[in-house]
Amino acid sequence: DAGITQSPRHKVTETGTPVTLRCHQTENHRYMYWYRQDPGHGLRLIHYSYGVKDTDKGEVSDGYSVSRSKTEDFLLTLESATSSQTSVYFCAISESGDIQYFGAGTRLSVL
Amino acid sequence: EDQVTQSPEALRLQEGESSSLNCSYTVSGLRGLFWYRQDPGKGPEFLFTLYSAGEEKEKERLKATLTKKESFLHITAPKPEDSATYLCAGGAQSGGSNYKLTFGKGTLLTVNP
Repeated sequence: DAGITQSPRHKVTETGTPVTLRCHQTENHRYMYWYRQDPGHGLRLIHYSYGVKDTDKGEVSDGYSVSRSKTEDFLLTLESATSSQTSVYFCAISESGDIQYFGAGTRLSVL
Repeated sequence: EDQVTQSPEALRLQEGESSSLNCSYTVSGLRGLFWYRQDPGKGPEFLFTLYSAGEEKEKERLKATLTKKESFLHITAPKPEDSATYLCAGGAQSGGSNYKLTFGKGTLLTVNP
């Protein structure tokens, strides 16, 4: 998985609780991304980062925030999880912004 | 709105039976067309990028081609280990050198021995 570690790999939480997913890379790539994958939908971009402390929204950013304080770490936070955020979350990295390499994913269930 | 449509949704082949997967796209300012393979429970694995119409790329039994409206992933003499979901994504430039990828829903390929 191209030097990408996502944690946790699985998480079950309750509605209304905060959740943070972590993506760690060892490739020193500039760009990092968070996607969600749901049945009946393609992968959809939540947020991305183009450098330390530089982030921007994707197409499904409502209810999510991100932070990148170090090149190697990109955090995705659900401030107050809802059942509609039950999904598989993928982190991706890219050196130059075109080819993206994906992590193994985090399966999140919000009950 | 950018759209990527993959067909068929699912395809069953016998080992050795060649076929093609289709990816049609309407992506404004397309800069690259990406193919990924995804195995169950895993993240997408990069296969190819095609940057201009007429371009072709090959890897083992897979060959990807690109026209101005669609891309094909040709699978020659597939083996059971080629079974996976194949994802297509259109990439448009989005701020600096970053590409915004619009993904299709994928084609689930099953190759029976």
